[in-house]
Amino acid sequence: DTEVTQTPKHLVMGMTNKKSLKCEQHMGHRAMYWYKQKAKKPPELMFVYSYEKLSINESVPSRFSPECPNSSLLNLHLHALQPEDSALYLCASSRGLIKEETQYFGPGTRLLVL
Amino acid sequence: AQSVTQPDIHITVSEGASLELRCNYSYGATPYLFWYVQSPGQGLQLLLKYFSGDTLVQGIKGFEAEFKRSQSSFNLRKPSVHWSDAAEYFCAVGLLNRDDKIIFGKGTRLHILP
Repeated sequence: DTEVTQTPKHLVMGMTNKKSLKCEQHMGHRAMYWYKQKAKKPPELMFVYSYEKLSINESVPSRFSPECPNSSLLNLHLHALQPEDSALYLCASSRGLIKEETQYFGPGTRLLVL
Repeated sequence: AQSVTQPDIHITVSEGASLELRCNYSYGATPYLFWYVQSPGQGLQLLLKYFSGDTLVQGIKGFEAEFKRSQSSFNLRKPSVHWSDAAEYFCAVGLLNRDDKIIFGKGTRLHILP
């Protein structure tokens, strides 16, 4: 099973809302990632978790708050977002933080902030 | 600094025709190179990757890529495209001093004519 699942598929939220994105993998991968992808652009790395600890925060605003409750699950908590945060949010996982390792991507959550 | 360039924003080929997508990289050492494909509304899927060894790399879905150090290129090829190959293709490079981050090119959108 090489699947990364993400829920919800679509999300519409107001700027005062609090919502969460969920990502799950059951491949035994120990590295998990959040990417943001704007329309017609490549994915941009936001956060990296390794062995359930935050490894990298790519200078992401604090209105995005990641959480890794266990080795299979990765959440992204959203609060007070701006319209420019509307994008496709992709989750990925890999066996470890090694360049050679393949990153497996989920289908993404398409977020619209009104 | 490492970087990757995809010179073509859009490519249109007829179904059954051959395909070559260009990728040029800038890297201080042996590069870690990847090709990913993203179908509309989907996450990314790895087609192939190169770290060392044979410079002609075979991937999934009938794709191959050739690493040419003298030209700093890693072009993706397919002998005969199918309508289902219509998608966005991203070339990516792993960073020299980080194991947790890959840099994506801006992507090439492939259109298939029936």
